[in-house]
Amino acid sequence: GESVGLHLPTLSVQEGDNSIINCAYSNSASDYFIWYKQESGKGPQFIIDIRSNMDKRQGQRVTVLLNKTVKHLSLQIAATQPGDSAVYFCAETDPGGGYQKVTFGTGTKLQVIP
Amino acid sequence: IAGITQAPTSQILAAGRRMTLRCTQDMRHNAMYWYRQDLGLGLRLIHYSNTAGTTGKGEVPDGYSVSRANTDDFPLTLASAVPSQTSVYFCASSDSRVPGELFFGEGSRLTVL
Repeated sequence: GESVGLHLPTLSVQEGDNSIINCAYSNSASDYFIWYKQESGKGPQFIIDIRSNMDKRQGQRVTVLLNKTVKHLSLQIAATQPGDSAVYFCAETDPGGGYQKVTFGTGTKLQVIP
Repeated sequence: IAGITQAPTSQILAAGRRMTLRCTQDMRHNAMYWYRQDLGLGLRLIHYSNTAGTTGKGEVPDGYSVSRANTDDFPLTLASAVPSQTSVYFCASSDSRVPGELFFGEGSRLTVL
């Protein structure tokens, strides 16, 4: 999962296996959560989002799970591929702060082993 | 489709110099943002703009200023650069109807000596 610090948490997964990336958030007022993927040397890219009135949302090969009780968010990637190697960030918006202010976590690096 | 264009892609400058990072979008998004990215600290919001003519402070605004004279452009200025401003800077934009879905540029790597 994500943590504040000088090193980036790393998850190593065998190609073809499923990946689960975790994120803990602290702002109980946040009601919109997003996952971004950042490949080396590029800007982050939107993957999937979920509103706080949902606990699960599925996309193409990705699923986001939200547990508001414990303020936990996870991203599941099915059948992980080499192209999934990247840093993944969870992000949140707080309606009190305006939906335009998106706050990012510190990121988790996913390494796919061929 | 260009999306978000940032310039320069990389710059080295001496401490105390003034520097402007340029950002242009062609998606007609009303909201724009500047983030800095440092290892272990993720992306931190510097300034944002909900619409042309308005700006707001983010998490780490000190030492930076922005302007939003029109919809497309959102330059970030360092009035007097300091070494702690060495970072990778990302500009982003979004459609306010889709909260949280930001479109990012490729980044500007800035080194202050």
